[in-house]
Amino acid sequence: DVKVTQSSRYLVKRTGEKVFLECVQDMDHENMFWYRQDPGLGLRLIYFSYDVKMKEKGDIPEGYSVSREKKERFSLILESASTNQTSMYLCASSHSGQETQYFGPGTRLLVL
Amino acid sequence: SQQGEEDPQALSIQEGENATMNCSYKTSINNLQWYRQNSGRGLVHLILIRSNEREKHSGRLRVTLDTSKKSSSLLITASRAADTASYFCVPSGGTSYGKLTFGQGTILTVHP
Repeated sequence: DVKVTQSSRYLVKRTGEKVFLECVQDMDHENMFWYRQDPGLGLRLIYFSYDVKMKEKGDIPEGYSVSREKKERFSLILESASTNQTSMYLCASSHSGQETQYFGPGTRLLVL
Repeated sequence: SQQGEEDPQALSIQEGENATMNCSYKTSINNLQWYRQNSGRGLVHLILIRSNEREKHSGRLRVTLDTSKKSSSLLITASRAADTASYFCVPSGGTSYGKLTFGQGTILTVHP
C-alpha cells in the first residue's frame, strides 16, 4: 500500500513564526502536491512538484514556499505565518503519467 | 484541470439503503475519479473510470459515466454507517503532472 505521512496531525503556531510542514511518501512517486482545505472552499492546490528540486505554483501559492531536495520528501514552508493560514493542509503524491493521487492524513494548523 | 460539481450537496439515508451521488463537468475528459474523505481514513481514492468505459464496479460501489451528457454517478449499495463521508468526483483531461481540482463534494450521512 502507498503510504504518505505528514509530520504532524495538529500544530499550533504564533503569527510571524516560520512553519515547516513535512510530507514523505514511500512509493517512489515523481509527483507531490500540497493542498489546503477550508470549509466552503474545498481543496485548493498550493504548490506541486514533478521531480526533485522542481516546483510549480498551484492556485494559491501566496505566502507559501516549498522544497523538494529528495524524491520522497516534499516540504511546505510558511515563511511568516498569518492567521488566515489557519487550515487543514493535505499532502498527496502520484506516479508520473497517472492521475490517481494518494493523500496523507493531513495537518491541522492553527495560527494564533 | 477542471472541477466536477457534485449533487446533492448533502444526502442523509438509513443504513442498508442505497446512496446515489451525481457529478457534472464541463469539458472533455480522459478519466474521472471518485474520492472519499472521512475523519478516520482521510482522503482516499475510490475508483477511476476511463472515458471509453460506461460503467465500473468495485465492491459495493458502482460508477457510471455518460460522456455525451458530461455526467457521472456513484452508487453505494447497502450503505453502512462507515460510509458516512464526503465524496468528490474529479474529472481529468490528462493534465500535465497529474494535477487535479476538487469540488465541494457531497456529504453523505448514513444513520445506523
